[in-house]
Amino acid sequence: EDQVTQSPEALRLQEGESSSLNCSYTVSGLRGLFWYRQDPGKGPEFLFTLYSAGEEKEKERLKATLTKKESFLHITAPKPEDSATYLCGRGSARQLTFGSGTQLTVLP
Amino acid sequence: ETGVTQTPRHLVMGMTNKKSLKCEQHLGHNAMYWYKQSAKKPLELMFVYNFKEQTENNSVPSRFSPECPNSSHLFLHLHTLQPEDSALYLCASSQEGATGYYGYTFGSGTRLTVV
Repeated sequence: EDQVTQSPEALRLQEGESSSLNCSYTVSGLRGLFWYRQDPGKGPEFLFTLYSAGEEKEKERLKATLTKKESFLHITAPKPEDSATYLCGRGSARQLTFGSGTQLTVLP
Repeated sequence: ETGVTQTPRHLVMGMTNKKSLKCEQHLGHNAMYWYKQSAKKPLELMFVYNFKEQTENNSVPSRFSPECPNSSHLFLHLHTLQPEDSALYLCASSQEGATGYYGYTFGSGTRLTVV
């Protein structure tokens, strides 16, 4: 069974305070590990796809990394506009399975 | 228009009503999906259509009935819903009917409230 577990459930940071979000997933049959950002009342917005252990991708203050069992979303010097729910999704041949998300709040 | 468009954005319906949600994608994708998002729970995949053919139905109650007339349009017909069906319903599309290598593009969702 495809499983995705995200932690923490919620995270509050001061502006400029760097941190990381965690996503652990079922390894068998993985066809990509996806990160999305979701703002309140909106659909998820694609951020990154990672395919193999050791891969890293960056976009502005965000960097996603992948190991054999986990993925991390590192947020460097966050700003209030980075506040959102971040979703991790595990791709298989059949579907994209999501975790419950991490709700990030960045305080000014 | 570009991307994935869902209408209506908000819907309030009684338990005896019949209504439909509409999704349209302008990306040339050939797979479309319905997801349900409830508070504090992961996105739940409901239905998958590849090239207009339904390939997944994740034990969804029959009060939800999908329709995919072509690869650009997807509907979710609703009837005799329950209050616990209140949620954000998200439509997504992807290329080649796989999660890919390309991931999904989501619409903004329909916020459904059943009273």
